[in-house]
Amino acid sequence: NAGVMQNPRHLVRRRGQEARLRCSPMKGHSHVYWYRQLPEEGLKFMVYLQKENIIDESGMPKERFSAEFPKEGPSILRIQQVVRGDSAAYFCASSPRGDEQFFGPGTRLTVL
Amino acid sequence: GQQLNQSPQSMFIQEGEDVSMNCTSSSIFNTWLWYKQDPGEGPVLLIALYKAGELTSNGRLTAQFGTTRKDSFLNISASIPSDVGIYFCAGPGFPYNTDKLIFGTGTRLQVFP
Repeated sequence: NAGVMQNPRHLVRRRGQEARLRCSPMKGHSHVYWYRQLPEEGLKFMVYLQKENIIDESGMPKERFSAEFPKEGPSILRIQQVVRGDSAAYFCASSPRGDEQFFGPGTRLTVL
Repeated sequence: GQQLNQSPQSMFIQEGEDVSMNCTSSSIFNTWLWYKQDPGEGPVLLIALYKAGELTSNGRLTAQFGTTRKDSFLNISASIPSDVGIYFCAGPGFPYNTDKLIFGTGTRLQVFP
């Protein structure tokens, strides 16, 4: 059973471009969480999704950020018009029932 | 808001030594989780604690759920080089029905042979 997969592992964007981060949860997991980690800090919750539904987006900035988890395919975290402050590691976690969360390897976003 | 503070921030120890670190909160947590993060990777769950006063071991690791519900402790015995990494405590944040996690500030462990 493959673990949580995230791609790309590294993403470089110029200011104003769009960033799309993908997360494929573990097989059988219908709960997906996105977290952001700045250098030298802990992970900060952004959004929690179940298939086709956003359950809690209280940690996600209101502008430029969006997330989806369609019926088919991976969960996508989308950042429009990126700025330098968006540079961070973005981690996805999945769980089967909303309890123990298994984390992916992360996507490291660098905004030039 | 809910915050978890970890101490020490970093530790430099010799292989074979024991390690102790702790995590404190200003609010009560009903679950305490300890994760380890290797460089360039995501966190991996080490130990989960669900009951005040609970003491749980996983190999050389032992963690305790503080009786006040506002703290937790992690001990590593006879450290080895592969223990190097960042150790995070975490717990479910409000509202608790979503299971989103609040992470601590981390303790960076360096082990010298």
